Amino acid sequence: DTGVSQDPRHKITKRGQNVTFRCDPISEHNRLYWYRQTLGQGPEFLTYFQNEAQLEKSRLLSDRFSAERPKGSFSTLEIQRTEQGDSAMYLCASSLAIQFATNEKLFFGSGTQLSVL
Amino acid sequence: KNQVEQSPQSLIILEGKNCTLQCNYTVSPFSNLRWYKQDTGRGPVSLTIMTFSENTKSNGRYTATLDADTKQSSLHITASQLSDSASYICVVSASNDYKLSFGAGTTVTVRA
Repeated sequence: DTGVSQDPRHKITKRGQNVTFRCDPISEHNRLYWYRQTLGQGPEFLTYFQNEAQLEKSRLLSDRFSAERPKGSFSTLEIQRTEQGDSAMYLCASSLAIQFATNEKLFFGSGTQLSVL
Repeated sequence: KNQVEQSPQSLIILEGKNCTLQCNYTVSPFSNLRWYKQDTGRGPVSLTIMTFSENTKSNGRYTATLDADTKQSSLHITASQLSDSASYICVVSASNDYKLSFGAGTTVTVRA
């Protein structure tokens, strides 16, 4: 499978625990995005990487959230001290884009469904 | 604030019938508009991408239209199949922003 891979597909955790999700983008894609989606809503932007640089973070991304993309390849999204409101689908997307382009095609992973009890 | 509104919220159609989904947006300055299909429990999959100069674009039985003057788009599904049951999300990109503005989606259910 040469698409965007996310792991795990499902995660159930207790409130207060830390969780980490992984995203493997399509090889050679330079941009990587994290989105959060709740039931019945469209995805909401969380953060975005151009290669290894994290260029923008949404206000939705509180201090409990941190994302990394070491070496510009895979990315991780960590949530510390999880809260019930963090329950959502966390989607990763990647694209190959020239500098400043905003019309590149995004490829999404299948997401990680987080349930905080 | 950039916003994307979709209607209807959901619809049910019989297999073989056609349907049209609507999308209105206030994103500015406009760069492009995309339609995605999202199956339950999966990530969105791109159907079409249209820029300012494009009025219509097709992908098999899916045809998207764009009126950049009125800031409206539609997605027409022809001869629906059971596999078309999914959420269809309208996504608009601003030319000065890498973030995308997503609509809440229209849930389409195709029944035999």
